[in-house]
Amino acid sequence: DIQMTQSPSTLSASVGDRVTITCRASQSISSWLAWYQQKPGKAPKLLIYKASSLESGVPSRFSGSGSGTEFTLTISSLQPDDFATYYCQQYNSYPFTFGPGTKVDIK
Amino acid sequence: EVQLVESGGGLVQPGGSLRLSCAASGFTFSSYWMSWVRQAPGKGLEWVANIKQDGSEKYYVDSVKGRFTISRDNAKNSLYLQMNSLRAEDTAVYYCARSHYYDSSLDYWGQGTLVTVSS
Repeated sequence: DIQMTQSPSTLSASVGDRVTITCRASQSISSWLAWYQQKPGKAPKLLIYKASSLESGVPSRFSGSGSGTEFTLTISSLQPDDFATYYCQQYNSYPFTFGPGTKVDIK
Repeated sequence: EVQLVESGGGLVQPGGSLRLSCAASGFTFSSYWMSWVRQAPGKGLEWVANIKQDGSEKYYVDSVKGRFTISRDNAKNSLYLQMNSLRAEDTAVYYCARSHYYDSSLDYWGQGTLVTVSS
């Protein structure tokens, strides 16, 4: 199975900050990577698919990059609505696997 | 508007069975792969299984193989997860999710249904 890791596990930031989360795969997954945002008690929400494609309706302050084994999610200017947990997921091969999550909280 | 509504969760004893359902609306259900994803209390997300549009292909995470069965009824716009031989570690919120039109990312999710396995 492909193992996904994320760093950091927790990130404290302020509104307006530029935030970067890293996701690494244990083997190459090409660009088959998605990023999700989850708030407490809610279902995850798709932000980015195929590593860098912005899902419809998602604000342009979110961007994704990378390929192979290393990927990043960047929030260019953190907004109050962005405090949440972020997960990456590979869908290059079965079983699809998620990273452990990165919690973005208020500094 | 795309809607996915799960049902069927509840409290079940270890070794018991439960069938989850997911009612889909607002899109052509028969045109999309569908998945189940779970989240244990206070933990991260775990992909459980998915199924092709016509039901001809199904994939599972190893921890549920032989115990869980994913299925669908395109005439009823419904997705199912039959869970047998349940264990305490299966306790989680189970989400139904639709695969993106372009790839296997998950673009719409239901609100989830809680399954608790406990004596």
